[in-house]
Amino acid sequence: EIVMTQSPATLSVSPGERATLSCRASQSVSSNLAWYQQKPGQAPRLLIYGASTRATGIPARFSGSGSGTEFTLTISSLQSEDFAVYYCQQYNNWPRSFGQGTRLEIK
Amino acid sequence: QLQLQESGSGLVKPSQTLSLTCAVSGGSISSGGYSWSWIRQPPGKGLEWIGYIYHSGSTYYNPSLKSRVTISVDRSKNQFSLKLSSVTAADTAVYYCAREGNSYGYDPWGQGTLVTVSS
Repeated sequence: EIVMTQSPATLSVSPGERATLSCRASQSVSSNLAWYQQKPGQAPRLLIYGASTRATGIPARFSGSGSGTEFTLTISSLQSEDFAVYYCQQYNNWPRSFGQGTRLEIK
Repeated sequence: QLQLQESGSGLVKPSQTLSLTCAVSGGSISSGGYSWSWIRQPPGKGLEWIGYIYHSGSTYYNPSLKSRVTISVDRSKNQFSLKLSSVTAADTAVYYCAREGNSYGYDPWGQGTLVTVSS
């Protein structure tokens, strides 16, 4: 099984600032990497797939980069609605696996 | 717009079998190119992939749960189901169903249903 490791576990950022979240895979997943946002009491929402392609309706302030084993999610200017938990997930191999999540909180 | 909706028992006794159904609306579960998955999230914890069923009926389960999991599809009702046997308190979680497309991750998701294992 591919282990996905996210860092940091918690990130404190002020509104309007940039947030950078990291995800590392224990072996190459090529570009088969997705990012999700989850708010309390809600299902995860797909943000990014293919490591860098925004899903339908996702604002341009969200961007993804990376390939192989190292990936980054960047939120360019944080809005109040962006404070949530973010998960990365690989879909290159079975079983599918998720990172443990990064909690993005207001500083 | 494709929508998924989980249903089933919210309380299951230890050692019994958890049963959930995911109803698909706004599209056909028989459409090619998609797999239909179950994913769970224990309270306050991260996401764990349980398994999938393809429109053809082929399945793949997480090895950590394989001995206890069965996923099936009912094309006439446009739904798929999860059975998890011999449950313990560690199986208490919000259970989600979701569709996986070809190379784009899980979208959409159901709203999730909480299953509590307790006597």
